[in-house]
Amino acid sequence: GNSVTQMEGPVTLSEEAFLTINCTYTATGYPSLFWYVQYPGEGLQLLLKATKADDKGSNKGFEATYRKETTSFHLEKGSVQVSDSAVYFCALDRGSTLGRLYFGRGTQLTVWP
Amino acid sequence: GAVVSQHPSRVICKSGTSVKIECRSLDFQATTMFWYRQFPKQSLMLMATSNEGSKATYEQGVEKDKFLINHASLTLSTLTVTSAHPEDSSFYICSAYPRTSGGELAKNIQYFGAGTRLSVL
Repeated sequence: GNSVTQMEGPVTLSEEAFLTINCTYTATGYPSLFWYVQYPGEGLQLLLKATKADDKGSNKGFEATYRKETTSFHLEKGSVQVSDSAVYFCALDRGSTLGRLYFGRGTQLTVWP
Repeated sequence: GAVVSQHPSRVICKSGTSVKIECRSLDFQATTMFWYRQFPKQSLMLMATSNEGSKATYEQGVEKDKFLINHASLTLSTLTVTSAHPEDSSFYICSAYPRTSGGELAKNIQYFGAGTRLSVL
């Protein structure tokens, strides 16, 4: 089947600290992988994505590399800011057109000044 | 950017009543809309896939007679929780794929509403 296992939170960091949120997946076929972010009171927003093995998605200083050998898509940021405080969701789709997404549980990140 | 509006954001109702949740794509036409349910500290679980003008496709274990989905236009899908009970209390989230790409819109990206918190007393 298809599933996403995501690092449990909450994660609390000081500003400018390094962030890693682990995500591993199980999938049939050749999935695309996503990180979504949800700020308080808002809908999920796409943060970054990767559509094939070894692709690196990046946006707003966040990066994640699609590792097929370890079935992972860990999210990293070198220096977090208070404004990065949010819930982060790892997700996959099976690569079909307009397909459904399979989500991890979400990781709450809080960054203190 | 693409905006998906979900209304209401929060609703409290008595057991046995029905509740309707609206999901609107404000600046694009949506080919497909999805309805998810999220329990505390758990992932989003897909309930159903909704295509304009056709019946929704429900995931296994989701009662179609309890969770009525109507996708009447390319910009509006509604989820009605019928005869709600306390176990239906949850966070419901909709999402949509744009019909066409352009500007900041990408056809193969899901855009999400902010969610509706349903509490059934």
